Amino acid sequence: GQNIDQPTEMTATEGAIVQINCTYQTSGFNGLFWYQQHAGEAPTFLSYNVLDGLEEKGRFSSFLSRSKGYSYLLLKELQMKDSASYLCAVREGDYKLSFGAGTTVTVRA
Amino acid sequence: TAGITQAPTSQILAAGRSMTLRCTQDMRHNAMYWYRQDLGLGLRLIHYSNTAGTTGKGEVPDGYSVSRANTDDFPLTLASAVPSQTSVYFCASSRGAEDTQYFGPGTRLTVL
Repeated sequence: GQNIDQPTEMTATEGAIVQINCTYQTSGFNGLFWYQQHAGEAPTFLSYNVLDGLEEKGRFSSFLSRSKGYSYLLLKELQMKDSASYLCAVREGDYKLSFGAGTTVTVRA
Repeated sequence: TAGITQAPTSQILAAGRSMTLRCTQDMRHNAMYWYRQDLGLGLRLIHYSNTAGTTGKGEVPDGYSVSRANTDDFPLTLASAVPSQTSVYFCASSRGAEDTQYFGPGTRLTVL
């Protein structure tokens, strides 16, 4: 099974940068996903990392270190619409996803 | 394109009653999944199906059953609902088991 830890809540100002950390312990690893979930809505796919390093997609970047069991999601130039929960999910060797409890990000004006 | 649809959007159910949550996808994805989401616990896998005709148990399968008669549909049945099954249920699908999962809009179920 998986043990996936991420902070419960974070607050940042519009235009700023926020980094959401995710640590995991796994018996098998086959990739790490980040999803965004607005209140009352479905999770939507943001990024996928399977190799060490940084993946950049516009204002969002995701980093993975497999040896440290660590990932982060970096949100730049924060906008009010970025207020949401961000879910870290680890895919095990059998391709099942295990999710962290999510980090609620609040963007203030 | 519709993607993944779920029905109903929400439901209040008396304990002991049965209920089927419906999930349909039009993307011809082979793999489908059912999760429940509870505050503070994150998404937990209930059952999954890697291809039509096959199903498997996830992390929290007790009290739930699924079937996969065809590629598009993956219904989740609660045979005799209990209050601890109050949750938001999400269906998801992926092209293959190794591909990115995409989620439906969810069903909010309250068992009283």
